[in-house]
Amino acid sequence: GENVEQHPSTLSVQEGDSAVIKCTYSDSASNYFPWYKQELGKRPQLIIDIRSNVGEKKDQRIAVTLNKTAKHFSLHITETQPEDSAVYFCAASTPSGSGGGADGLTFGKGTHLIIQP
Amino acid sequence: SAVISQKPSRDICQRGTSLTIQCQVDSQVTMMFWYRQQPGQSLTLIATANQGSEATYESGFVIDKFPISRPNLTFSTLTVSNMSPEDSSIYLCSVGSRGGNTEAFFGQGTRLTVV
Repeated sequence: GENVEQHPSTLSVQEGDSAVIKCTYSDSASNYFPWYKQELGKRPQLIIDIRSNVGEKKDQRIAVTLNKTAKHFSLHITETQPEDSAVYFCAASTPSGSGGGADGLTFGKGTHLIIQP
Repeated sequence: SAVISQKPSRDICQRGTSLTIQCQVDSQVTMMFWYRQQPGQSLTLIATANQGSEATYESGFVIDKFPISRPNLTFSTLTVSNMSPEDSSIYLCSVGSRGGNTEAFFGQGTRLTVV
């Protein structure tokens, strides 16, 4: 099955600086890569996603890049703000053998992002 | 995005008992999923709840322990059976659709404590 590795486990950056979180996956058939932000005691919130036919996607201060050949994808947050402090999870979805589609997600272990004022 | 409601939001249960968690979606969805998030950990897929057929379980999870129902395209239940303290976790349902890798959204979760 799919295996997703996520680094670093903890990331501390100064407010206003950029943060980068990296993930690798093992199954070359994976084709959907979402990122979630989870604040303490709350559900994971989808913040951005990318599909395997796209190399980069941006939404305001957040961007995701995907390198299919190397099987890694990254989350970039620019101009970080205190409200960006949370745990971030990457995930990968591999289509089922019966014909593709949104099958369950395999998650990385998470990155605790701390924004220092 | 779909609105997903889970209940109960939390419960404290005695070991050896069972708890059924409900997940209701405000629109029809092809696929629903159940995840477990142990304290301070990441999310692990338990099973895919298929409407009209048996759920598909991931390695390490079995139907006798986590029976799932999916009577229609907007509702599913997960039962945690014969609970032990190791089952203390947050259980989350999620929705998606086959064929397009649509975004996966989560319910608010059920925080289960087994004593």
